[in-house]
Amino acid sequence: AQSVTQLDSQVPVFEEAPVELRCNYSSSVSVYLFWYVQYPNQGLQLLLKYLSGSTLVKGINGFEAEFNKSQTSFHLRKPSVHISDTAEYFCAVSEQNSGYALNFGKGTSLLVTP
Amino acid sequence: KAGVTQTPRYLIKTRGQQVTLSCSPISGHRSVSWYQQTPGQGLQFLFEYFSETQRNKGNFPGRFSGRQFSNSRSEMNVSTLELGDSALYLCASRGLLTDTQYFGPGTRLTVL
Repeated sequence: AQSVTQLDSQVPVFEEAPVELRCNYSSSVSVYLFWYVQYPNQGLQLLLKYLSGSTLVKGINGFEAEFNKSQTSFHLRKPSVHISDTAEYFCAVSEQNSGYALNFGKGTSLLVTP
Repeated sequence: KAGVTQTPRYLIKTRGQQVTLSCSPISGHRSVSWYQQTPGQGLQFLFEYFSETQRNKGNFPGRFSGRQFSNSRSEMNVSTLELGDSALYLCASRGLLTDTQYFGPGTRLTVL
């Protein structure tokens, strides 16, 4: 069975500082990887995804993530955060050739302060 | 293109009642999945429908059911509501030949 671990439940950071949100997964088969963001009282918005190809993927709002197969990680990074990046971030995994159900991590709350 | 829409946005029910939630996918998308989000359990997959057929189901009791219509709109039903069913219910649609799911704003269900 697969699992997704987001190592930090909360990440406080100052505005314009860099940030990394960590995600590790376990699976016995090949996977697709996603990062979603959720703003208060809203649904989930796709930030970026890794399906195949280049292990460095770029998403919206200046975010990027790197897929590391040997470490089974998919960490999310942004070089300079804004107040508006304050939100809940979810890492999700789906197994290839096994349906499209997403298995989510518990989420990381990013709090950006001036 | 319009995004995924869910109705109603908020619902308050009492224990023992039943509830039906509705989801309209992005135009052209034929797959609809449902997820439950709670503070304790996080985001959990309920089921997926494609072309009116349930293709995948999560680990939820039979009180949770769904269906999909020929226009790809989907409904989710929860019978005999329990306090623990209070949650944000999210619907996601997916197009053909893609693994990406796009989420709606959710329906906030409160069970009293």
